[in-house]
Amino acid sequence: DTAVSQTPKYLVTQMGNDKSIKCEQNLGHDTMYWYKQDSKKFLKIMFSYNNKELIINETVPNRFSPKSPDKAHLNLHINSLELGDSAVYFCASSHQEGEQYFGPGTRLTVT
Amino acid sequence: AQSVTQLGSHVSVSEGALVLLRCNYSSSVPPYLFWYVQYPNQGLQLLLKYTTGATLVKGINGFEAEFKKSETSFHLTKPSAHMSDAAEYFCAVSGLAGNMLTFGGGTRLMVKP
Repeated sequence: DTAVSQTPKYLVTQMGNDKSIKCEQNLGHDTMYWYKQDSKKFLKIMFSYNNKELIINETVPNRFSPKSPDKAHLNLHINSLELGDSAVYFCASSHQEGEQYFGPGTRLTVT
Repeated sequence: AQSVTQLGSHVSVSEGALVLLRCNYSSSVPPYLFWYVQYPNQGLQLLLKYTTGATLVKGINGFEAEFKKSETSFHLTKPSAHMSDAAEYFCAVSGLAGNMLTFGGGTRLMVKP
């Protein structure tokens, strides 16, 4: 069984569109995260979320917003997509202060 | 603020040779330190972690790392490289609110036959 899953695996869209990436974990973890990996493989945290608190990396544009319908899901919504948003987005989960388990990634290409 | 520096964006070793990937960190709080491996077009897999206690930690696939507080280092080693070790390796630190990881820039390990 897949521990952390993401859909879609690939997403190609045009500038200005709004899109969502879904993430689900079946590990019973209480904290979920979104990371962005750019074309140079650099990984940057975007959000950390548990049922009590959302922590946002201050460098993330407010066009990005996480939505958590329940403890096992943390979706990423992106409004008004820009060329610079092209990257691989990784979801991860953990027990608080435990090691993080990563999903397979979603490669977003904005044209 | 926290930061991680990985010295050497590319490291090439021969099969059977020692693997040494360098990681230095800075943190204003006691750090939790991690090494992750990423194979092409895949997500990140945890190799090992240091939280507290023993400073020499062993991970999967024969890798180990030593936490040296005085040097603010957490270098990753493996005595004998295998072809299957070729991948991108990331050092990361956490310890601040939300357990968010701060990653180094990554080191691509290449293994020559």
